[in-house]
Amino acid sequence: EPEVTQTPSHQVTQMGQEVILRCVPISNHLYFYWYRQILGQKVEFLVSFYNNEISEKSEIFDDQFSVERPDGSNFTLKIRSTKLEDSAMYFCASRETDPYGYTFGSGTRLTVV
Amino acid sequence: QKEVEQNSGPLSVPEGAIASLNCTYSDRGSQSFFWYRQYSGKSPELIMSIYSNGDKEDGRFTAQLNKASQYVSLLIRDSQPSDSATYLCAVNQAGTALIFGKGTTLSVSS
Repeated sequence: EPEVTQTPSHQVTQMGQEVILRCVPISNHLYFYWYRQILGQKVEFLVSFYNNEISEKSEIFDDQFSVERPDGSNFTLKIRSTKLEDSAMYFCASRETDPYGYTFGSGTRLTVV
Repeated sequence: QKEVEQNSGPLSVPEGAIASLNCTYSDRGSQSFFWYRQYSGKSPELIMSIYSNGDKEDGRFTAQLNKASQYVSLLIRDSQPSDSATYLCAVNQAGTALIFGKGTTLSVSS
């Protein structure tokens, strides 16, 4: 069964450092998403990406965040200057088209120290 | 602010019983409704989708939607210990991102 692949599975970074989280969505999917989940809290929407541009973003997705699809397969989330409160599980998701559900990757656990 | 509300639980049921999970949503324009299962430390896994009023059955799972009441539910028949997880309700309008509830933790005892 096709999978969404995320790397790394766990990343530890120092406060103020830049991190890049990587995702390979399912190949025939057109819509890509980043969500995060702080420990014990709900899954929160960050940003959606379609046709090589951001289609929707949440209030969480401020200027320290950016997304990119540098080639035909990868989808990245960059956090420019990490804060302690950025510590969370970050999930990439993709879907073929509306209105189908998303397929989530296994997540990257980001720990900011 | 679009909200999806779920009772956080835990909901405890014995093996073989029916588990009933409920969800309400605030956005009347919501069109697509999903149930995801999330095991501790893992990613959400899609188990059911429903788009129109009524019931939709898939194996031991039945999703129910009532748009007038802004209510969606998930029934799990013949609950198994392996069903113990957090169940997330998610909704969206066409073209917008899924909004998730906090989830209901289900515990099935053998």
